[in-house]
Amino acid sequence: GNSVTQMEGPVTLSEEAFLTINCTYTATGYPSLFWYVQYPGEGLQLLLKATKADDKGSNKGFEATYRKETTSFHLEKGSVQVSDSAVYFCALSDRYGGSQGNLIFGKGTKLSVKP
Amino acid sequence: EAGVVQSPRYKIIEKKQPVAFWCNPISGHNTLYWYLQNLGQGPELLIRYENEEAVDDSQLPKDRFSAERLKGVDSTLKIQPAELGDSAVYLCASSSGSGSRTDTQYFGPGTRLTVL
Repeated sequence: GNSVTQMEGPVTLSEEAFLTINCTYTATGYPSLFWYVQYPGEGLQLLLKATKADDKGSNKGFEATYRKETTSFHLEKGSVQVSDSAVYFCALSDRYGGSQGNLIFGKGTKLSVKP
Repeated sequence: EAGVVQSPRYKIIEKKQPVAFWCNPISGHNTLYWYLQNLGQGPELLIRYENEEAVDDSQLPKDRFSAERLKGVDSTLKIQPAELGDSAVYLCASSSGSGSRTDTQYFGPGTRLTVL
């Protein structure tokens, strides 16, 4: 079945450090891939997405590239800020069957950025 | 534009009591989702509606959970009777497409349920 595996947290970084959060997936079809972010006390927000292989999603300095050959969608940011402290979720949405369009999430990775 | 609205934000009940959650999606969004998020986990789909039709309820525990979206707009999720293991955050999301894999889902703030 479809699944998403994220690196476990928590991840603690100093401000301006480089961030990578690994995400790999298993899917029967050609999924779309998403990163959602959940700030403390708030709901999930879409951070970025990619809908086909080699697409790069980007937003707010974050980037992720859809790598079909490695079934990965790693999240990166060159210089994190304290305001980036949140929980980050990788998710996929497959194209086949009755579950088309349903999001399957990883367990989430908590990021804490220290000043 | 208003986002997805959920109420209540918090609910504490005794086990075996009933509970209901309400969701109003973004205006014009015909697809509505209910997710369950346990502590330290990612959300898991309970049910998906396209307009008023439940098109995927395969993950909904139908012995105690029920949902409705009578006019294809707002929706209610009910648990009767609640069990201790139902303590979690219940998330509602909506999208403007017909549930395709490329649609962006917009989430509400969730309802945190505590069953004592």
